[in-house]
Amino acid sequence: QLQLQESGPGLVKPSETLSLTCTVSGGSIYSSDHYWGWIRQPPGKGLEWIGNIYYSGIPYYNPSLKSRVTMSVDTSKNQFSLRLNFVTAADTAVYYCARNIEVTTNFDYWGPGTLVTVSS
Amino acid sequence: DIQMTQSPSTLSASIGDRVTITCRASQSVSPWLAWYQQKPGKAPKLLIYKASTLQNGVPSRFSGSGSGTEFTLTISSLQPDDFATYYCQQYDNYIWTFGPGTKVEI
Repeated sequence: QLQLQESGPGLVKPSETLSLTCTVSGGSIYSSDHYWGWIRQPPGKGLEWIGNIYYSGIPYYNPSLKSRVTMSVDTSKNQFSLRLNFVTAADTAVYYCARNIEVTTNFDYWGPGTLVTVSS
Repeated sequence: DIQMTQSPSTLSASIGDRVTITCRASQSVSPWLAWYQQKPGKAPKLLIYKASTLQNGVPSRFSGSGSGTEFTLTISSLQPDDFATYYCQQYDNYIWTFGPGTKVEI
């Protein structure tokens, strides 16, 4: 059974960089059939797609966040990561990592999510 | 970019009701439309993909239909476990977008 788990600081100061890692277990991140994605959800609000990355390292970002986002993949550790620069209070959210199926374009496995609060 | 809307934003229903949620896209996204169920404090759960294909393990009371710019999620007979928020999600040209959500409440 595939499992994803987010990890990283729960508190980030304004203007600093938010860094999260998603560890995949029960399957390989080295898959030509899948993307690996980040989605966030501010408290009480809806879901926002941040970006997807292919096992080869090719990323696709939400245009509204593209200038601040970097995603990377480490196939040796079966992990992929998110960096979001210059954070503000508006970036406070639960951040989810998820697997995306290339041929059907949906997200089928999700991590439990991790709350990141931006505050001084 | 493609914009997604969902209606209604909130839906009040009773056990056994037939419930329909609509998702509209600003341009055609067919057939790349998925539906998710989310309960408080939990990650979203995939229900439907490719507009009408039921994900393995999802009860058959859930169904999806539609094409082009208008899609629907139907719950044929609402059960206590179905009170949740439902999101649609589209894909177009390497951009994935979620709808704003529909909360189904008692």
